[in-house]
Amino acid sequence: DTGVSQDPRHKITKRGQNVTFRCDPISEHNRLYWYRQTLGQGPEFLTYFQNEAQLEKSRLLSDRFSAERPKGSFSTLEIQRTEQGDSAMYLCASSRRVGNYGYTFGSGTRLTVV
Amino acid sequence: AQKVTQAQTEISVVEKEDVTLDCVYETRDTTYYLFWYKQPPSGELVFLIRRNSFDEQNEISGRYSWNFQKSTSSFNFTITASQVVDSAVYFCALSAPDQGGSEKLVFGKGTKLTVNP
Repeated sequence: DTGVSQDPRHKITKRGQNVTFRCDPISEHNRLYWYRQTLGQGPEFLTYFQNEAQLEKSRLLSDRFSAERPKGSFSTLEIQRTEQGDSAMYLCASSRRVGNYGYTFGSGTRLTVV
Repeated sequence: AQKVTQAQTEISVVEKEDVTLDCVYETRDTTYYLFWYKQPPSGELVFLIRRNSFDEQNEISGRYSWNFQKSTSSFNFTITASQVVDSAVYFCALSAPDQGGSEKLVFGKGTKLTVNP
């Protein structure tokens, strides 16, 4: 169990640029989540995958955001035409079972849009 | 709709003091799960406890204890004899079964605990 890995840890980008983040969940976990955390707030749910299927998306996930999980393994979160309001910590989590057992978070990717 | 309220934004204590972090939740579901997570400065969320709605027994783990009261919709967290290493932001979270099956977590805004030597 190597934990949930996220890459990069930090990303600084200019407004209007596209960025992509990667999440590698724990290998046997079929459930994968993306959350966003802004300064002084708790994490907020963005989207959920079960295997390769994206089953739920939050209203926070505007058209500029897209997430994929090809073959049910790693996942990517892309933000197009970044805005300053996108600056946040993006957290990935994975789990294996229902009932919220074994819900493990990665260390996050901190995005700064300048 | 589900909601978690952590009314204490910041708490500062001196080492060895006991401290209680409050959490009040709202949900219409009869089956739900409550969690506490610790977020140190490094950023990762560290799982502390999971409690289901049918288990109101209080739990103790070392210096940590949790008091779950359905009557007041509260799930409070107490650290006994606090230590500097306990300094972090602590989040209370709620999850309930939903149609999408995601079991996503709804977090409070967190309480920043500072333990001074």
